[in-house]
Amino acid sequence: RKEVEQDPGPFNVPEGATVAFNCTYSNSASQSFFWYRQDCRKEPKLLMSVYSSGNEDGRFTAQLNRASQYISLLIRDSKLSDSATYLCVVTAFEGGKLIFGQGTELSVKP
Amino acid sequence: EAGVTQFPSHSVIEKGQTVTLRCDPISGHDNLYWYRRVMGKEIKFLLHFVKESKQDESGMPNNRFLAERTGGTYSTLKVQPAELEDSGVYFCASSQARDGYEQYFGPGTRLTVT
Repeated sequence: RKEVEQDPGPFNVPEGATVAFNCTYSNSASQSFFWYRQDCRKEPKLLMSVYSSGNEDGRFTAQLNRASQYISLLIRDSKLSDSATYLCVVTAFEGGKLIFGQGTELSVKP
Repeated sequence: EAGVTQFPSHSVIEKGQTVTLRCDPISGHDNLYWYRRVMGKEIKFLLHFVKESKQDESGMPNNRFLAERTGGTYSTLKVQPAELEDSGVYFCASSQARDGYEQYFGPGTRLTVT
């Protein structure tokens, strides 16, 4: 079983749509949680950290449920520029190494 | 402020040859990480330096991979001898914090072993 599992993609949505990504992680001792964005042939870039209380950054909302070991990302009013691969990432219980999910590709169409 | 830089951006080598990848972290970042993405798989951790010391090398695939960070500045990752399955994109990341927050990634080195 993979340590971090994400929805298989790709997601193809029209502009303005709301899209939700889901992710589960297997290690209950995981400490920190993130969503990264990776554009084609580019490096991953931190989109947002995820907290148990939930957090919002503009059109993006992230949620963490520690009990069910579940992380989500909601994108509202999607834009063409949101097209990318979204990576669910957790840190191990010690140290700072990041554990990545395989990523979900999002394609926003006009 | 300059970001994380990696050299080369691409490398094509034959099986059995040696390749050395270089990473220059953001100035002042003590933590330096190497990751790798092979085709069709998720990005996987290779190792973590704190300054010049290896903090965690649990992700290194085998003894054909050697990472160094002399002087706690730039790092090199040498693959010797390279095998076909070593092909992929090698990313370097650096951070000030040790808890995984704010890791800044370099553009990666795309390695192809033929």
